[in-house]
Amino acid sequence: NAGVMQNPRHLVRRRGQEARLRCSPMKGHSHVYWYRQLPEEGLKFMVYLQKENIIDESGMPKERFSAEFPKEGPSILRIQQVVRGDSAAYFCASSPRGGPNNEQFFGPGTRLTVL
Amino acid sequence: AQSVTQLDSQVPVFEEAPVELRCNYSSSVSVYLFWYVQYPNQGLQLLLKYLSGSTLVKGINGFEAEFNKSQTSFHLRKPSVHISDTAEYFCAVSGDGNEKLTFGTGTRLTIIP
Repeated sequence: NAGVMQNPRHLVRRRGQEARLRCSPMKGHSHVYWYRQLPEEGLKFMVYLQKENIIDESGMPKERFSAEFPKEGPSILRIQQVVRGDSAAYFCASSPRGGPNNEQFFGPGTRLTVL
Repeated sequence: AQSVTQLDSQVPVFEEAPVELRCNYSSSVSVYLFWYVQYPNQGLQLLLKYLSGSTLVKGINGFEAEFNKSQTSFHLRKPSVHISDTAEYFCAVSGDGNEKLTFGTGTRLTIIP
């Protein structure tokens, strides 16, 4: 059973460009979470999605950031008009069920560098 | 609101010595507690979790942790560390009606040969 897949693993963008990060959850998992890790910091929750629904986006910046998890295909985290402060590692996690007591399985992350 | 405090940002330990990584949390209701390990340039791997029941939890790679409700702590321990344990360790909490994990800032464990 393949783990959580994220691509690309490394992404370089210039200021003002768009960044698209993809996450394929583990087989059978319909719950996806996105976290951001700034340099020398812990992970911060961004958004929680179930298939076709955003359940909790309390950690998402109000502007430029959006996320989706369509019925078919991977979950996408989209950052428009990137700025240097968006440089970070973005991790996706998935779980088979909702609920705070369910283990979240993490992908290897996408490291975004904004020049 | 939940929060997690990992007071030690870096912990150097000699090989084969014991180690304890500290974690304290705050939450107004029931919590679930987790320890994750992150090796360089990799994602997070679950070491162990406390959901309910016995307060002493055993995980992978010889690690264990003890849930102490009165002290709101969930410290991670290993009796004898190896070079391969060099990594960043994150304590996390969920619950209180939240699906999301709230992480501490991490502790970098360095093993000295």
